[in-house]
Amino acid sequence: ETGVTQSPTHLIKTRGQQVTLRCSSQSGHNTVSWYQQALGQGPQFIFQYYREEENGRGNFPPRFSGLQFPNYSSELNVNALELDDSALYLCASSSPPLNTEAFFGQGTRLTVV
Amino acid sequence: QQQVKQSPQSLIVQKGGISIINCAYENTAFDYFPWYQQFPGKGPALLIAIRPDVSEKKEGRFTISFNKSAKQFSLHIMDSQPGDSATYFCAASGNFGNEKLTFGTGTRLTIIP
Repeated sequence: ETGVTQSPTHLIKTRGQQVTLRCSSQSGHNTVSWYQQALGQGPQFIFQYYREEENGRGNFPPRFSGLQFPNYSSELNVNALELDDSALYLCASSSPPLNTEAFFGQGTRLTVV
Repeated sequence: QQQVKQSPQSLIVQKGGISIINCAYENTAFDYFPWYQQFPGKGPALLIAIRPDVSEKKEGRFTISFNKSAKQFSLHIMDSQPGDSATYFCAASGNFGNEKLTFGTGTRLTIIP
């Protein structure tokens, strides 16, 4: 088990609602990346936070936003939920440049109905 | 140019046999190639990773073979065991792993007795 924890583990939301997912990074890690994994697919990069600043973003619309806090934990916010947002949301922490290995949490399974 | 293509989509191997999963990439800026193992309901876990300055890396029963000129890399699992049954993802990253991970589409491996 990694030291990356995500909450909640499962969530059901209605289309049009907003959701906040949370991630506690592994101790000593200053970088958090978020990925979306649709059923049967590989994870897709959403964005990365390094020392509280966004440090790269994938091909996701602005309604996907995030934060990183001084303790390096992070939030992923999704506004105006759509049915296609249903997926497993993964958080990974790392500590570049010395340690680039990304440790993933168990994910949050979001279902939009 | 950011794609990582993975094959096969699914694989059934007898216990004790060799499991082989292949990946190909296009972006020559990629310089870090990890393999992840994912069990149902869990986040991906790093198995083994390679950089392009070597052609092979072995850790226990897991070996990565890397062909820089062909832009291909593969995972070999020797003496496959039922506990190896999982979904395997190849991935690629630039800047020695400091950039986002680009994942393949995954291979569902089943080891039968």
